Amino acid sequence: SAVISQKPSRDICQRGTSLTIQCQVDSQVTMMFWYRQQPGQSLTLIATANQGSEATYESGFVIDKFPISRPNLTFSTLTVSNMSPEDSSIYLCSVGDRGYEQYFGPGTRLTVT
Amino acid sequence: GEDVEQSLFLSVREGDSSVINCTYTDSSSTYLYWYKQEPGAGLQLLTYIFSNMDMKQDQRLTVLLNKKDKHLSLRIADTQTGDSAIYFCAENSGYALNFGKGTSLLVTP
Repeated sequence: SAVISQKPSRDICQRGTSLTIQCQVDSQVTMMFWYRQQPGQSLTLIATANQGSEATYESGFVIDKFPISRPNLTFSTLTVSNMSPEDSSIYLCSVGDRGYEQYFGPGTRLTVT
Repeated sequence: GEDVEQSLFLSVREGDSSVINCTYTDSSSTYLYWYKQEPGAGLQLLTYIFSNMDMKQDQRLTVLLNKKDKHLSLRIADTQTGDSAIYFCAENSGYALNFGKGTSLLVTP
C-alpha cells in the first residue's frame, strides 16, 4: 500500500489567514483526493487533485477558498484561504491505488481561532 | 446526495463478536469499504469487498454484502480492547468515496 505523509500534522491559525497543507506519497499515483472531516462528523470530499490541470471540486467547495496544486504524481497541496472558525477540521489527503484501494494520510488537524 | 447510514454507537464485551451494519445508497458501487479510525489518527483501510461477492473473510474480520438490500456488515470476531475505534463504511462514487457517519465501537473488559 502507498505510504502517505502530510505536513503540518496540526496547526492553530488566526481568522483571516491561510494555511497550505502538503501531501507526499512514496510512489506515483494517478488519483489524489482531499477530504474534510469536521468535528464528530464523517468525511466529505473537497476535490480531486488532477496532475497538470485544475482540480475538480465537489458541490459546496470552490477554488478561491480551497486552491489545490498537483505538480506531479507524488505530491499535492491544499490551501485553506481566509480562514474562519468554521474551517476548523481535519483535512485528509487520500490516494487511489490499483483502481479500487484508497489510502489516507494521517490528516492535518486545523483549529482556527 | 443520499446518505450512507450507520448506527452511531456499539458497545461489546471483550471476547464477544461485534457486528457493525451499514446501508449504502448507490447500487452501481463497485467496491464497498470498511475503514477504522482510532482517536487522533487517520483512516486505516481495514477491508473492502467487490460488489459481485457476498462474503469476504480476513482473519478476525468478516464482511457480508446483501446487494439486493444494499446492506453491508462488518463482523469482528473475538473483539479486543484495541478494536475500540470509529468504523466507517464507504461506497465508491466514481473514483472518490462516499462515507457513512461512522460507528463508534467501545469494547469493555
